[in-house]
Amino acid sequence: DIQMTQSPSSLSASVGDRITITCRASQSIDRYLNWYQHKPGKAPKLLIYATSSFQSGLPSRFSGSGSGTDFTLTISSLQPEDFATYYCQQSYISPPTFGQGTKLEI
Amino acid sequence: QLRLQESGPGLVKPSETLSLSCTVSGGSISDSSFHWGWIRQTPGKGLEWIGTIYYSGNTYYKLSLKSRVTMSVDTSKNQFSLNLNSVTAADTAVYYCVRDRTGSGRLPLNWFDTWGQGTLVTVSS
Repeated sequence: DIQMTQSPSSLSASVGDRITITCRASQSIDRYLNWYQHKPGKAPKLLIYATSSFQSGLPSRFSGSGSGTDFTLTISSLQPEDFATYYCQQSYISPPTFGQGTKLEI
Repeated sequence: QLRLQESGPGLVKPSETLSLSCTVSGGSISDSSFHWGWIRQTPGKGLEWIGTIYYSGNTYYKLSLKSRVTMSVDTSKNQFSLNLNSVTAADTAVYYCVRDRTGSGRLPLNWFDTWGQGTLVTVSS
């Protein structure tokens, strides 16, 4: 199975900050990389698919980039509602696999 | 707006079968544009894909779970289900039902655009 490694595992930031989360795949996954946001007690939410394609309604402060094995999720100006756990996931080869998550805290 | 809701027992005894259902509202499970799946989350292993099913009944399971997993679709109830037999404590997890997109060749794309809220299943005697 393809291993997905996120860094950092946790991140403390403030409203208005620019942050970047990194995701690395154990082998090339082309651009088949997706990002999810998860808040406690809520359903996880797809943010970005295929590296940089926005799910409907996603604010423009979110962006994704990368290819091959290295990918990033950037939030340009953190808002209070952005504090959550973020997961990357590869959809290049079955089984689809997830990173361990990055907890973004105030 | 599409909504997925998991249901089933929150406690299952070791060696027995875990059975969950997912009710789809706001959309049709028979829509050929989508597949339907199950993902679980444990503190130790994080998010783990279990399997995916199409309305036609075609299934795709994680290899390491394949011998214990059965998924099915009930189009009349707009539901799909998960059975996981011979459970152990390692199967204790929050189980999510999800919607997957259908790609070319009617294969799942393996990215999940809608999730249920999840249901905690504990395996314990």
